Amino acid sequence: GENVEQHPSTLSVQEGDSAVIKCTYSDSASNYFPWYKQELGKRPQLIIDIRSNVGEKKDQRIAVTLNKTAKHFSLHITETQPEDSAVYFCAASISSGGSNYKLTFGKGTLLTVNP
Amino acid sequence: EADIYQTPRYLVIGTGKKITLECSQTMGHDKMYWYQQDPGMELHLIHYSYGVNSTEKGDLSSESTVSRIRTEHFPLTLESARPSHTSQYLCATIGTFGYNEQFFGPGTRLTVL
Repeated sequence: GENVEQHPSTLSVQEGDSAVIKCTYSDSASNYFPWYKQELGKRPQLIIDIRSNVGEKKDQRIAVTLNKTAKHFSLHITETQPEDSAVYFCAASISSGGSNYKLTFGKGTLLTVNP
Repeated sequence: EADIYQTPRYLVIGTGKKITLECSQTMGHDKMYWYQQDPGMELHLIHYSYGVNSTEKGDLSSESTVSRIRTEHFPLTLESARPSHTSQYLCATIGTFGYNEQFFGPGTRLTVL
């Protein structure tokens, strides 16, 4: 089955700096890669996702890059703010027939943005 | 508003009790999932269902059972709770059409004394 490795497990940055979280996956058939943010005491929420036919996707201060050959993808947060502090999870899935099935999650990265 | 509902939100029980954690959704989604998560830690998939009368065990061995008699409901049952079951349980759904984002419920925080 799919295996997703996520690094680092903890990341501390100063407000305004950039943060990068990296994930690798094992199954070359995976074609959907979402990122979830989980604030303390709250449910995980999707912040950005990318499909395998795209190499990069941006949404304001957040971007995701995908390297299918190397089987890794990364989350980039620029101009970090204290409200970005949370646990971030990457995931991989095989989307078939227009539908996703089972996501395989990384173990999470605790991001702390220091004011 | 379409959402995922979990009850109870918090539960403290004694060892050996039978409990059922409820998950219901008004998302109209066919696929539903149960995850076990210690706060801020890894998400462990324990059960999933791709539709009515379809249930599968997940990646993490669990002593719980699930049922899917109705599309909207996916209850999780522990026949005999133990302190090792103390954790947060998150229900999630994925739809068939459209964007296929996985949505999570608010979770049930279970403490077994």
